[in-house]
Amino acid sequence: AQSVTQLDSHVSVSEGTPVLLRCNYSSSYSPSLFWYVQHPNKGLQLLLKYTSAATLVKGINGFEAEFKKSETSFHLTKPSAHMSDAAEYFCVVSGPDPGYSTLTFGKGTMLLVSP
Amino acid sequence: NAGVTQTPKFQVLKTGQSMTLQCAQDMNHNSMYWYRQDPGMGLRLIYYSASEGTTDKGEVPNGYNVSRLNKREFSLRLESAAPSQTSVYFCASSGQSSHYYEQYFGPGTRLTVT
Repeated sequence: AQSVTQLDSHVSVSEGTPVLLRCNYSSSYSPSLFWYVQHPNKGLQLLLKYTSAATLVKGINGFEAEFKKSETSFHLTKPSAHMSDAAEYFCVVSGPDPGYSTLTFGKGTMLLVSP
Repeated sequence: NAGVTQTPKFQVLKTGQSMTLQCAQDMNHNSMYWYRQDPGMGLRLIYYSASEGTTDKGEVPNGYNVSRLNKREFSLRLESAAPSQTSVYFCASSGQSSHYYEQYFGPGTRLTVT
C-alpha cells in the first residue's frame, strides 16, 4: 500500500519569494510521484513527475521537485513566487500495477501569494 | 483533441433521486477512473476501469455504480443520492503506452444533493 502526507495544509508567501511545499510518501516499492496543481474551480493539471530517472525533476512554470529516497520526500519548490501560482497543490503517488495505475492523493496544500 | 470531457458541469439533486455522470476520452486510453474531491480530503478514488470490460472498486465505492460502455466512455451512476454525496467529481484516463502512469483529468462535475 502507498500513502502520501502533505505536511502543510496552507502555505503563505509574498510575491518574489521562494516557495516550498512539503511532501512525504510511503511505498513498499519504487514509486512514481507527481505534483498536480488545481486553480480555483478548475480541473487538475500535471506540474511534474518522477519516474526513477533523474532525482531532480523540472516541471512547468518554473517548479521543480527532488526525490530523496533516504528521506522518503518529494518536496516542490520554486525560486520566486508569482501571483498566478496561488492554487491548491497535490502530491500524488502511483500504484505498482503494470498497464494501469491507481493514484493516491495527498490532502492538498493551498498556496497563498500576497503582493 | 478534447482530452477528457464530463457532463454535466453542475447538477442539483434531491435526496433519493438518481443520476448518471458521463465521461468520455478521445486519447485511446485503456484505463479510466472516477474520483470525488471534498474539502481537505484530496481526491479519493471511487471506481476504476483498467481496460474495456473491467471495473474495480476504489477507496470509496459505496453508493455508486459504474459502466465502461466502450473504450471511450465511463459513466458513474448514483442510484439514490444522499447529501453525503455532495462533492466535485472528476473523471480521468491513462494510457497503457504511458509508462509513467500519468492520468489526464476532466474539468469536473459539481454535484449538490439537498
